[in-house]
Formats: sequence, C-alpha cells, structure tokens
Amino acid sequence: NAGVMQNPRHLVRRRGQEARLRCSPMKGHSHVYWYRQLPEEGLKFMVYLQKENIIDESGMPKERFSAEFPKEGPSILRIQQVVRGDSAAYFCASSPPLGTGTHNEQFFGPGTRLTVL
Amino acid sequence: GENVEQHPSTLSVQEGDSAVIKCTYSDSASNYFPWYKQELGKRPQLIIDIRSNVGEKKDQRIAVTLNKTAKHFSLHITETQPEDSAVYFCAASIVGNYGGSQGNLIFGKGTKLSVKP
Repeated sequence: NAGVMQNPRHLVRRRGQEARLRCSPMKGHSHVYWYRQLPEEGLKFMVYLQKENIIDESGMPKERFSAEFPKEGPSILRIQQVVRGDSAAYFCASSPPLGTGTHNEQFFGPGTRLTVL
Repeated sequence: GENVEQHPSTLSVQEGDSAVIKCTYSDSASNYFPWYKQELGKRPQLIIDIRSNVGEKKDQRIAVTLNKTAKHFSLHITETQPEDSAVYFCAASIVGNYGGSQGNLIFGKGTKLSVKP
C-alpha cells in the first residue's frame, strides 16, 4: 500500500497520559500536515512539516502539543497530559515536493481516533 | 486569516438529480480550492480541485466552478447515485508552484449529502 499510513488507528488514553500518533507519508512525498477533526465538524489545520523542519505550527496549541518529522522514520504528533477535549480524529496528509507542479494536492491517511477517558 | 463558509450543511436529493454545494472564502490571496469526500469513519478523499487561473473544471459527473471576483466556488454533482452519499468538504489555501508555499488547507464545515434511491 503506497498510501499515507497512520498508526495506531484507535488510541485510548486516560487523562494526564501521553498520546503519540504516527504518520508515514506516501512514497516520494516530503511534506506532512496534521489536522484535527471533532465529531460532526470539519478538519482544522494544526501543523505543517518537512523533514527535520517545522514550516507552520500556527494551528497547534502552544502547550502540550508538539510535532516532528525526523530525517528517518515517520512524523509524530505528541500530546502530553491529555484532557477529554483532546478526543478527536487526527488526520495526517502528505504532498509531493515543491516544484513538482502537484505540490498542492494533499492525500490523507486513515486517521487516528483518540479517546481520552 | 482565511475563513471558508460552506452551505448547505445537509442536502438530500433523489437519485438521478443534481446536487450543488457552495463555498465562500475571505482571503483574496487564496489560489487553490480542493474538494474532499469523506464517508463515515473513513479518510477524506480528494475528488476534484481547481486553481485560481481556471474558472471551471469537470471530471465525469463532478464539476467545480470558481468566481474569483465574488470569492466563491461550487461543487456540482450530476446524475447522483446512492454511493455519492457522504460528507463533502471544500477547502482553500495559498500555494506557490515553486517554493514559498504555505500549503495548509482551511476547510469548510462540510455538507452531508444523502442520495435517496
């Protein structure tokens, strides 16, 4: 499967624990975006990353949330000390490198559904 | 920042009829407008997109129109089928072809389309 991969698909955490969400972009894609979707709502942009570089984190809460996209391995969205309000579906998307003409297109992974008890 | 409004929030049509979903955006610098289809519990899937240098784009039963002056764009689905039932999201972003791309998508709140057989 050459699509965007996310794991885990479902994650249950108790309040105060940490959640780690992983995203592997499509082969050949160098840009990763994280979005959050609350039930019955649209997707809200959180952060945009290239390898080893955060391009735009304007949609990510300043506290408890962090993201990385290391040189090797998947992108990780980390939520520390989770609260009930963090319960949502977290989607990542990837896009081709700049200059390919199709950079605008974002392809989404299956999402991680986080439930905070 | 950019704000995208989407209407209607729910739409019910008879199989074979047409469906139209409309979106408006606020930032005149936005130049890329994709549409995503999301089935229940699934990932958003890109179905069609349009760039600001084009007024209309068609792909089989799906078409998108863009009015830059009025800052609105619409999705048209003709000859609807039950499998078209899903939530449809419009989005807007500011992108460049080569470098300097911001890339993050600002989504509308979605339209739940029901096609009755």
